[in-house]
Amino acid sequence: GAVVSQHPSRVICKSGTSVKIECRSLDFQATTMFWYRQFPKQSLMLMATSNEGSKATYEQGVEKDKFLINHASLTLSTLTVTSAHPEDSSFYICSARAQEWGALYEQYFGPGTRLTVT
Amino acid sequence: DAKTTQPTSMDCAEGRAANLPCNHSTISGNEYVYWYRQIHSQGPQYIIHGLKNNETNEMASLIITEDRKSSTLILPHATLRDTAVYYCIVRAAMATGANSKLTFGKGITLSVRP
Repeated sequence: GAVVSQHPSRVICKSGTSVKIECRSLDFQATTMFWYRQFPKQSLMLMATSNEGSKATYEQGVEKDKFLINHASLTLSTLTVTSAHPEDSSFYICSARAQEWGALYEQYFGPGTRLTVT
Repeated sequence: DAKTTQPTSMDCAEGRAANLPCNHSTISGNEYVYWYRQIHSQGPQYIIHGLKNNETNEMASLIITEDRKSSTLILPHATLRDTAVYYCIVRAAMATGANSKLTFGKGITLSVRP
């Protein structure tokens, strides 16, 4: 299957600072990337969908000014958590969908980034 | 909202087949059934998908009922490394629109015991 990477895998930051997480599709071009968040013992919740070269679409209840998403190329999307607070501590997972992949547009996931805000 | 229902958990013995059920009684004609799994503290891993025919790959088999209202994921010889949360998801074939998103429910926790 296709490979999606995330960096960093873990990050600890102080309250009030901003953190940037990178998501890369390594061996395919992704016109669409997705950002999910997962709290302990809960399922993945979709935060936003980004298409290359256009603004991200945020799910209801997700603050677009707090979670800045940039999808500047077909292989890179970034999520910046601005003015992070302890309640933003979570497991952030990106996913990328291939531009063309046979008959369907398959979606592959990165390994996740554990964010801890102190 | 997730359009599937799964049991909360199940276990099976190592080396035996693990049969994971999923109900999707409101599935539409253009929606596929997808299975992903998530091993602790990792991103979800794609397993298999199907529309109406049974499917098999190197990881698993997917059996879809004739009315498409339910399906079963079969891991033929479960190993300890198969312990994970398994998600059954329905998704439209089209690449755009709300129905093309992968929406995760609570999944089923499979525990493989030695």
